[in-house]
Amino acid sequence: SQKIEQNSEALNIQEGKTATLTCNYTNYSPAYLQWYRQDPGRGPVFLLLIRENEKEKRKERLKVTFDTTLKQSLFHITASQPADSATYLCALPFSGGYNKLIFGAGTRLAVHP
Amino acid sequence: NAGVTQTPKFQVLKTGQSMTLQCAQDMNHNSMYWYRQDPGMGLRLIYYSASEGTTDKGEVPNGYNVSRLNKREFSLRLESAAPSQTSVYFCASSEVGGGHTEAFFGQGTRLTVV
Repeated sequence: SQKIEQNSEALNIQEGKTATLTCNYTNYSPAYLQWYRQDPGRGPVFLLLIRENEKEKRKERLKVTFDTTLKQSLFHITASQPADSATYLCALPFSGGYNKLIFGAGTRLAVHP
Repeated sequence: NAGVTQTPKFQVLKTGQSMTLQCAQDMNHNSMYWYRQDPGMGLRLIYYSASEGTTDKGEVPNGYNVSRLNKREFSLRLESAAPSQTSVYFCASSEVGGGHTEAFFGQGTRLTVV
């Protein structure tokens, strides 16, 4: 069955540094991959989508890479700020599934001043 | 625009009680979803509705039923609540096609079954 793995350990970094989060998946080849941000007590909010034929995607201070050979996506936040502190979720479409998504458990990021 | 609205936000049930979680979206999306989120397990799909009039099981459908009342509304029913159903429930919607695939989530319903 499909499986997504994200680092369950919280990532603590200093303000201004680059945060890098990892998403690994197994057992299939998704057409795209998405990243979401979730704040405590709130629903996830979509950040970026990267398709299988794209190596890299950028949006402001965010950068996502997608390595279909390694079955891995990296999510980078450059010049991180305390306001970036949140849990970041990786999501892939179910195999053969419409738009329904399977989510990783998320990685909590804490940016310290 | 309100986006995706869920009610209630919090609920405490006794084992064996029933309840319905309501969800409505105002983005004219065809697809709607119910997920549950438990610590360390991520979001798991309970049921989804690809379009008005259709519903299908997700990863963890046991103990739940759904109704796609119309294009806007998708409800989740617990017929006989169990402590294992203590969780945070999220409703989401998305559009299919046109290159748009992101899901929009509601604020969640925090359910405790005692």
